[in-house]
Amino acid sequence: AQTVTQSQPEMSVQEAETVTLSCTYDTSESDYYLFWYKQPPSRQMILVIRQEAYKQQNATENRFSVNFQKAAKSFSLKISDSQLGDAAMYFCAYRSARGANNLFFGTGTRLTVIP
Amino acid sequence: ETGVTQSPTHLIKTRGQQVTLRCSSQSGHNTVSWYQQALGQGPQFIFQYYREEENGRGNFPPRFSGLQFPNYSSELNVNALELDDSALYLCASSFRGALYNEQFFGPGTRLTVL
Repeated sequence: AQTVTQSQPEMSVQEAETVTLSCTYDTSESDYYLFWYKQPPSRQMILVIRQEAYKQQNATENRFSVNFQKAAKSFSLKISDSQLGDAAMYFCAYRSARGANNLFFGTGTRLTVIP
Repeated sequence: ETGVTQSPTHLIKTRGQQVTLRCSSQSGHNTVSWYQQALGQGPQFIFQYYREEENGRGNFPPRFSGLQFPNYSSELNVNALELDDSALYLCASSFRGALYNEQFFGPGTRLTVL
């Protein structure tokens, strides 16, 4: 079974600074997707960034980028130029490339942005 | 384009009762997945429906059941409610056949079991 681990229950960052959230996962599959989702107090999960396992290049979306280390099964999220609106719970998630497209989530990291 | 909607927003039930939660999928989507998110935890996959049939199930007992309707909306039914069923229930829709088959989430239903 796939497991996703987020070892940082809480993180904080000064506005305009950079923060990195950690995620590790365990799988025996070679083809899969990894995601970072943001869940603000409104509760709605919002996709932040996606990484295909077969791609060596790290994904980037504006101020958000990942460091994907397939051999180490590590998938960290870097948020640059942090903004107050970035404050939320962040979940790392895994999905197999085959079968049902259900997601396996980590336990989340609560990010606080300090003005 | 209408996003994923869920009803009700909040619900309070007592132990042993039954509950039905509803989800309307995003326009054009044909697959619905349900997740349970206990307080302080990440969402856990309950099951998924595609073309009105269950298409994958997580580690949840049979008292958790579902339906998908021809318009791709869905229901989650939970019988014989237990205190541990208190959680946020998230619905996510997707289109099987899309490049990434990405899931789009609704705002959830907060269920409290007393």
